[in-house]
Amino acid sequence: GDSVTQMEGPVTLSEEAFLTINCTYTATGYPSLFWYVQYPGEGLQLLLKATKADDKGSNKGFEATYRKETTSFHLEKGSVQVSDSAVYFCALTARGGADGLTFGKGTHLIIQP
Amino acid sequence: EAGVTQSPTHLIKTRGQQATLRCSPISGHTSVYWYQQALGLGLQFLLWYDEGEERNRGNFPPRFSGRQFPNYSSELNVNALELEDSALYLCASRVGGLAKIGEQYFGPGTRLTVT
Repeated sequence: GDSVTQMEGPVTLSEEAFLTINCTYTATGYPSLFWYVQYPGEGLQLLLKATKADDKGSNKGFEATYRKETTSFHLEKGSVQVSDSAVYFCALTARGGADGLTFGKGTHLIIQP
Repeated sequence: EAGVTQSPTHLIKTRGQQATLRCSPISGHTSVYWYQQALGLGLQFLLWYDEGEERNRGNFPPRFSGRQFPNYSSELNVNALELEDSALYLCASRVGGLAKIGEQYFGPGTRLTVT
């Protein structure tokens, strides 16, 4: 079946550091890829998406590029802030959404001032 | 525009009882998904409803069931509650049918505690 693998952390960085959270996937066909963020005590918020190879999703300074050749969708941000502290989930959907979203385990990001 | 809403926020039940969780999707969305976020197990797909019908379910026993109403709101029922059903239950909605892009928008969740 489909699967998503991402580093679980916690990942601790200083404010203004460069962020990379790795995400790789296994899926049949051509999935759509997403990054969701979960702040403490809240539900999931869609951060960015990409629907085909070489697409770059971006939002709030975060970026991720759909790499079909390496089956990856790594999340990056050039300068993180304390407010970026949250849990980040990489996810995919295939088969038109019939199986829901398949999520990675989530990466807990802690940004220290 | 209102987002996905869920009720109640918290629910405490005793083992063996039944729990009912409710979800209202974003206006115009006809697909509703339910997910379980249990400690140590991550986010797992439970059920998918579209246009009033159950379209697919994840790897969960039949005591997890639900329905979708004509206004596209949805209800998740968990019968014969077990301690391991304690989790955050998230509802998500999107535009209906099979969709290539298919981004889903999530509600804040219902925290179910089984004692």
